Amino acid sequence: GQNIDQPTEMTATEGAIVQINCTYQTSGFNGLFWYQQHAGEAPTFLSYNVLDGLEEKGRFSSFLSRSKGYSYLLLKELQMKDSASYLCAGWDSNYQLIWGAGTKLIIKP
Amino acid sequence: GAVVSQHPSWVICKSGTSVKIECRSLDFQATTMFWYRQFPKQSLMLMATSNEGSKATYEQGVEKDKFLINHASLTLSTLTVTSAHPEDSSFYICSARGLVGGAQGPGEGRQYFGPGTRLTVT
Repeated sequence: GQNIDQPTEMTATEGAIVQINCTYQTSGFNGLFWYQQHAGEAPTFLSYNVLDGLEEKGRFSSFLSRSKGYSYLLLKELQMKDSASYLCAGWDSNYQLIWGAGTKLIIKP
Repeated sequence: GAVVSQHPSWVICKSGTSVKIECRSLDFQATTMFWYRQFPKQSLMLMATSNEGSKATYEQGVEKDKFLINHASLTLSTLTVTSAHPEDSSFYICSARGLVGGAQGPGEGRQYFGPGTRLTVT
């Protein structure tokens, strides 16, 4: 079956770094997405990885290892506004998104 | 680019009535549109997938006669919640997808989300 696993909740301190892990099992693989979702709002696109390695985009970076079925989202210099849920989603062979349940990130001052 | 709008952003209706939610891709042609539902503190749940000009494909457990989906054009899809009940109160989110892969580069054909519609049935 297809499955995306990520931690339910994480807590970090303002100004620190946090890494949110995601493991995936999909029927075929055409890439992995990370979305950010603030409470009461729709998800917004953060990153897309289809090749192994690290993609850096400002304070946010995303890493992919296809051989391990593993990805992580790295958030640096955390700000209070980064408090949100972070959704990991894999694209299967039919370009259907398989969603993780999301990781709620709580930032403390 | 790749903006998706959704209307209305929130709606309150009485039990037994029907509500229509519109989803529009404003600057691209959406060959496929997706409708999601999200209850408080839960993850996104895919309800159905629709391709322009075709009947929607519903996920298991979603009543197609209750949640009517129309995707009549490449820029518009509608979701009608018929005979709404309080348990239908939820956050409904659409997303639109253009052509997948191709020369446009990696990630093209990814889903772009509308802002969501909060439905409250009293």
